Amino acid sequence: QVQLVESGGAVVQPGRSLRLSCAASGFTFSNYGMHWVRQAPGKGLEWVAIIFYDGSNKYYADSVKGRFTISRDNTKNTLYLEMGSLRAEDTAIYYCVRNFLGQGRIAAAYFAHWGPGTLVTVSS
Amino acid sequence: EVVMTQSPVTLSVSPGERATLSCRASQSVSHNLAWYQQKHGQAPRLLIYGASTRATGIPARFSGSGSGTEFTLTISSLQSEDFAVYYCQQYDNWPPLTFGAGTKVEIK
Repeated sequence: QVQLVESGGAVVQPGRSLRLSCAASGFTFSNYGMHWVRQAPGKGLEWVAIIFYDGSNKYYADSVKGRFTISRDNTKNTLYLEMGSLRAEDTAIYYCVRNFLGQGRIAAAYFAHWGPGTLVTVSS
Repeated sequence: EVVMTQSPVTLSVSPGERATLSCRASQSVSHNLAWYQQKHGQAPRLLIYGASTRATGIPARFSGSGSGTEFTLTISSLQSEDFAVYYCQQYDNWPPLTFGAGTKVEIK
């Protein structure tokens, strides 16, 4: 079955960087667009970024544009989120999620498969 | 950006009763609307997509309706395991994908 497992969450000081990883299994990773969604403590869900199945396109929320970079390694079935210039408001659980449909059907951008999440805390 | 507004913020319902949750979009999103359920400490679970299609394994007591800017999630007879937070999400006009702030369904 589909499995997504995030790692890399930590306590980090404001202004520093952090890289999150998401190991995927149970499906053909290279066929699916992948997203990061985050949730601040006690708050709602916020979409962060998407990378197309082949890495050809990437889009970001305005709140992270220019600071975060999404990438993938289809040979390792792994998704990444490089987070730079971290702020207190980036404190959240970060979920790795799979686009519902694969390849060019990126319009089906809703999520049946989520990882358990990894907690990032930005604090001095 | 499409703003999603959910109401009410909290819904108090007795087990066995019907629950009706609303979601409004700031502009038309056609039928491109999903609903999620989230229990404390867990990742969200997809309930409905395409405004009215139940996801795999979702019980028939969950139903979605609406199109354009007005959507409803109905739980026909609340079970104990249904007390949770529910989110709507539009995927019509993006980026960004946007979620509502959630409705908490609590035991009355």
